[in-house]
Amino acid sequence: DGGITQSPKYLFRKEGQNVTLSCEQNLNHDAMYWYRQDPGQGLRLIYYSQIVNDFQKGDIAEGYSVSREKKESFPLTVTSAQKNPTAFYLCASSPRGYGYTFGSGTRLTVV
Amino acid sequence: GQQVMQIPQYQHVQEGEDFTTYCNSSTTLSNIQWYKQRPGGHPVFLIQLVKSGEVKKQKRLTFQFGEAKKNSSLHITATQTTDVGTYFCADPPQNTDKLIFGTGTRLQVFP
Repeated sequence: DGGITQSPKYLFRKEGQNVTLSCEQNLNHDAMYWYRQDPGQGLRLIYYSQIVNDFQKGDIAEGYSVSREKKESFPLTVTSAQKNPTAFYLCASSPRGYGYTFGSGTRLTVV
Repeated sequence: GQQVMQIPQYQHVQEGEDFTTYCNSSTTLSNIQWYKQRPGGHPVFLIQLVKSGEVKKQKRLTFQFGEAKKNSSLHITATQTTDVGTYFCADPPQNTDKLIFGTGTRLQVFP
């Protein structure tokens, strides 16, 4: 079955650590996205990529980094510069100009 | 930045009652998408509306796009407990594939 796989499902980070969230898709979609969702809130765009080896900052990119070396993969690194990283992180992909397919998300908690 | 506003923020209904959520923008939208997110889950794409005045139906769900393409609505007839979740509208800024999500409407259905 085609879809998006995010891992891990739950992640605990100590203050000052960098962590990387994985996102893999086998839908052959060109575009991929990372969103952050805080409890009871909407989705805010962190980064997006429309083609391999290219990506753009979203509305809340500070403290995050991404790479797009392969069409299938779009990992997100939450760096120590992100002061409030506890949130639900959602990865998505889409064909150009149509609806997104989301992964099941990663819940990141700072301990 | 560009943002679509949704009302109401919350809605509690008795099972069998109807429900409507509205999405409003101060600028003309190229298209509008609707998503549903169940509690603890990830957003799932429902539909995309492109044409002015467009109306689409999916079983008990009716989606409308305003004549001026500045607003949209989702109406659920005779709600069921399976309709529980948060409904988001989303729009892509001109000439981009990224989506800006609305603030969402959380629907609770009491049996």
